[in-house]
Amino acid sequence: AQKVTQAQTEISVVEKEDVTLDCVYETRDTTYYLFWYKQPPSGELVFLIRRNSFDEQNEISGRYSWNFQKSTSSFNFTITASQVVDSAVYFCALSDSTGGFKTIFGAGTRLFVKA
Amino acid sequence: DAGVIQSPRHEVTEMGQEVTLRCKPISGHDYLFWYRQTMMRGLELLIYFNNNVPIDDSGMPEDRFSAKMPNASFSTLKIQPSEPRDSAVYFCASSLPPSLSSGELFFGEGSRLTVL
Repeated sequence: AQKVTQAQTEISVVEKEDVTLDCVYETRDTTYYLFWYKQPPSGELVFLIRRNSFDEQNEISGRYSWNFQKSTSSFNFTITASQVVDSAVYFCALSDSTGGFKTIFGAGTRLFVKA
Repeated sequence: DAGVIQSPRHEVTEMGQEVTLRCKPISGHDYLFWYRQTMMRGLELLIYFNNNVPIDDSGMPEDRFSAKMPNASFSTLKIQPSEPRDSAVYFCASSLPPSLSSGELFFGEGSRLTVL
């Protein structure tokens, strides 16, 4: 069965701090995809990144970086030098072949970045 | 491309009334998803279609909910009769198959439903 767990409900940091959002997933498939989406206060859902199960390379995009570790079934997201504009709800998501590649979401982590 | 288009953006109705939410996916996207977002339950997948065919409707809460996709450019989610607990933001999303793309979901802006 598919499952995505984001144990951190809310995180509050001060601007310029680094922050890591945790994501743990469960799947029986060897082929699957992991995603992060951002939902700012305006409410839209914005795609940030996808990793497939065969590519464990970590990725960096500006102040954002992602750490994918199959050994611990984790796909964590780090924001370096956080800014107020990073305040949003962040969702980790999973799709796999057994699930017909439907995408299921974790509960989300609400990040507050204070000036 | 115009992106995924949902209507209405906001709907306020009274308990017992029928509600119809509409979605136009991005042209060429084979997959269409309906999600519901509430504070208590987060983002729940209700149903998804592949090439206009419903593939998995296990997330549809009960018989009061139904969804259709009569063609590749239009889908509806209907609630009849509506109840206050159906109040939520309903998102429609579309995508290409993961083998052909990043598998990214393109979301509409959502339809905020309030049932009084």
